[in-house]
Amino acid sequence: GAVVSQHPSRVICKSGTSVKIECRSLDFQATTMFWYRQFPKQSLMLMATSNEGSKATYEQGVEKDKFLINHASLTLSTLTVTSAHPEDSSFYICSAETGRVGYNEQFFGPGTRLTVL
Amino acid sequence: AQSVTQLDSHVSVSEGTPVLLRCNYSSSYSPSLFWYVQHPNKGLQLLLKYTSAATLVKGINGFEAEFKKSETSFHLTKPSAHMSDAAEYFCVVSGSGGGADGLTFGKGTHLIIQP
Repeated sequence: GAVVSQHPSRVICKSGTSVKIECRSLDFQATTMFWYRQFPKQSLMLMATSNEGSKATYEQGVEKDKFLINHASLTLSTLTVTSAHPEDSSFYICSAETGRVGYNEQFFGPGTRLTVL
Repeated sequence: AQSVTQLDSHVSVSEGTPVLLRCNYSSSYSPSLFWYVQHPNKGLQLLLKYTSAATLVKGINGFEAEFKKSETSFHLTKPSAHMSDAAEYFCVVSGSGGGADGLTFGKGTHLIIQP
């Protein structure tokens, strides 16, 4: 089956620093990738949708200047949390969609736990 | 606009007994509906999906769900629970066919299996 990886799986950083999270589709090309955020004991919330080669579409309430998304290739999307603060601590999950007609399953990465001190 | 409501935050059953996880949805379009499972410290795994074909959908690990348009429900069931089923389950809706759309997740149901 399709595999999506995320790196790093866990990161701890100081307040004010920036953190980059990578999301890769290992055995398929992903025309669309999604970034989700999961707070403790809560459900996932969609942050943004990224299409290869174009600007990401952010959900309402998500700061595009704080959460920079780059989808430079069909197998890689990156999320950069800029000037991170403790309230940004969360579990970030990406997913990738193959884009084949009629095949709309999303494959999820294992997630990245971000802790901002 | 679309939304999904998982009616129970926690469900506890004994091993070997049936499982029922309830989900109601709201969607302006003909929805695609999914159930995902998340085991501790692991990524999300798709259990099953409904995309306007058969209303009774069979998934992995013995799970199935029935799409009932009149009740706007998509409840997940399994005839006999196993200890390995203990996990967090998410009911998910995607609008307009599900293609290249972000998913809307329910708040999740924590399934506890008693020995």
